[in-house]
Amino acid sequence: DTGVSQNPRHKITKRGQNVTFRCDPISEHNRLYWYRQTLGQGPEFLTYFQNEAQLEKSRLLSDRFSAERPKGSFSTLEIQRTEQGDSAMYLCASSSSGWSGNQPQHFGDGTRLSIL
Amino acid sequence: DQQVKQNSPSLSVQEGRISILNCDYTNSMFDYFLWYKKYPAEGPTFLISISSIKDKNEDGRFTVFLNKSAKHLSLHIVPSQPGDSAVYFCAASSSTSGTYKYIFGTGTRLKVLA
Repeated sequence: DTGVSQNPRHKITKRGQNVTFRCDPISEHNRLYWYRQTLGQGPEFLTYFQNEAQLEKSRLLSDRFSAERPKGSFSTLEIQRTEQGDSAMYLCASSSSGWSGNQPQHFGDGTRLSIL
Repeated sequence: DQQVKQNSPSLSVQEGRISILNCDYTNSMFDYFLWYKKYPAEGPTFLISISSIKDKNEDGRFTVFLNKSAKHLSLHIVPSQPGDSAVYFCAASSSTSGTYKYIFGTGTRLKVLA
């Protein structure tokens, strides 16, 4: 179990640029989640994949945001035309389905995005 | 609309004593609750969970209590150790959502004094 891996750990970019983050979940986990965390807040749900299917997107996810999980393995989160308000920690989490449906999500260490 | 609330931003406890962290929720559809610990520059680490069919779950020094009628859960850490100093988040989910996404509180910063 190598855990959830996220790259890069830190991204600094100018406003208006596009950025892409990658998440490698725990290998046997079919559920993958993206969350966003800002200072003083808990993580907020952005989107959910079951295998390769994106089944839910939060209203926080504007049309500048897109996420993919090709082949149900790693996932990418892209932000186009970044804005100051996009500065945050972006967290990826994965879990298995389990017999009860409720299984704890395991988080990566996140990608911290800073918009200049 | 904050569905999960942690009303104490911080808590200081002497080493060896009990730490009690509290969490309240408003959505009666929540049926799975968790506590995570977060160190700076790291992602949240899963600590312990409880299903709504139970009122207590214990794992070593950590015990979570669930009071469904009060929509309240708490995390007890006994005995507290300096390494427990971190930010603690409670989270809740509903199996009816189909996605099992988590709603998090805003966190409580625990400081264990040596």
